[in-house]
Amino acid sequence: KAGVTQTPRYLIKTRGQQVTLSCSPISGHRSVSWYQQTPGQGLQFLFEYFSETQRNKGNFPGRFSGRQFSNSRSEMNVSTLELGDSALYLCASSLRITGLARETQYFGPGTRLLVL
Amino acid sequence: AQTVTQSQPEMSVQEAETVTLSCTYDTSESNYYLFWYKQPPSRQMILVIRQEAYKQQNATENRFSVNFQKAAKSFSLKISDSQLGDTAMYFCAFTGISLGQNFVFGPGTRLSVLP
Repeated sequence: KAGVTQTPRYLIKTRGQQVTLSCSPISGHRSVSWYQQTPGQGLQFLFEYFSETQRNKGNFPGRFSGRQFSNSRSEMNVSTLELGDSALYLCASSLRITGLARETQYFGPGTRLLVL
Repeated sequence: AQTVTQSQPEMSVQEAETVTLSCTYDTSESNYYLFWYKQPPSRQMILVIRQEAYKQQNATENRFSVNFQKAAKSFSLKISDSQLGDTAMYFCAFTGISLGQNFVFGPGTRLSVLP
């Protein structure tokens, strides 16, 4: 099976712009989670989507949003970019067969975003 | 809220030796899952090992094993016969079993395996 893929891998934007990142989960996986990774803050949970619905949300401003499509692919959008948004954005997918089963998350390679 | 602590920001070990990475967590739940993930330099995060809290037996995966102490809320990772390819950031992670739970990661331990 192909692993989790993320596009683009690298991105340079300027302050005030917006950006959309894409994540394709492992085939059959229905849950997609997004994380922001920075040297100072470590891995911070952004949100999780399951069956096209946002199930969980981390403590990030409304500029960060996402969605999931019927094929489980997910996109994350950041509007009005700030310098502090520079980070590695990781996507992880899991099976989530039932709501009570916590499946292992499998990570993509990440998108490295630099905001100038 | 659950928290995960890794008290060793950096560690080093000689090739072929054994090293133990520490992780403690705080939760009021009785059922949950614990994970160790590895992130090599500029490479993808991969799962090392997983432990279900209801299982008393410690998980093992080849050279990797854990010491799970539920009462002490401790979940350490032991790497035996360390190899140069083990050089990476290691993250301890916790998640509850319910739909509303997300993964909580520790700050990570940077492990360097020295030749």
